[in-house]
Amino acid sequence: DTGVSQDPRHKITKRGQNVTFRCDPISEHNRLYWYRQTLGQGPEFLTYFQNEAQLEKSRLLSDRFSAERPKGSFSTLEIQRTEQGDSAMYLCASSLTTGKAFFGQGTRLTVV
Amino acid sequence: KNEVEQSPQNLTAQEGEFITINCSYSVGISALHWLQQHPGGGIVSLFMLSSGKKKHGRLIATINIQEKHSSLHITASHPRDSAVYICAVSKAAGNKLTFGGGTRVLVKP
Repeated sequence: DTGVSQDPRHKITKRGQNVTFRCDPISEHNRLYWYRQTLGQGPEFLTYFQNEAQLEKSRLLSDRFSAERPKGSFSTLEIQRTEQGDSAMYLCASSLTTGKAFFGQGTRLTVV
Repeated sequence: KNEVEQSPQNLTAQEGEFITINCSYSVGISALHWLQQHPGGGIVSLFMLSSGKKKHGRLIATINIQEKHSSLHITASHPRDSAVYICAVSKAAGNKLTFGGGTRVLVKP
């Protein structure tokens, strides 16, 4: 297994467009997390899944954001009607229920 | 006030120097994590600890649960140690992480 992978690595989009990011966790990991990181700041929690169930969503996750993990394996994070304030690094991590988290390389989103 | 505070925000050291980064937290935790982030975004987990001390190569992490404080030490620092070091806590086993703001470390040759 090659670890957590995220796709794409970079995305430039025009304001108002929809974007979707994908995360493939380490295969045996049942927990999957999405975080957002803006320049110079530490990451902030967005949402997490245990298997296919979305267990918690941050208040940061407005109604323009939606995340899924349909079969308990890969996950997608969609942002509708993007705004310039959505520009950030979107990080995915996975873990076993009580283990340490392994992070992907992130998807850097730029909204122009 | 943030639940996880790190100091210093920035640190410059000469190669070979001993480096200490501090982390204080204000909530009950299940574990504290030290992470390393290089330019380009990738985050690597260095340590996960809930008590005492852990060592891996030139890196040492300690935690004092009573004082809600942890330190990350880098011995004999090297330019390849230049990165952002982030402290994070999980309030329950396997739960989401709450991050500090990070410490940007630059080690000059």
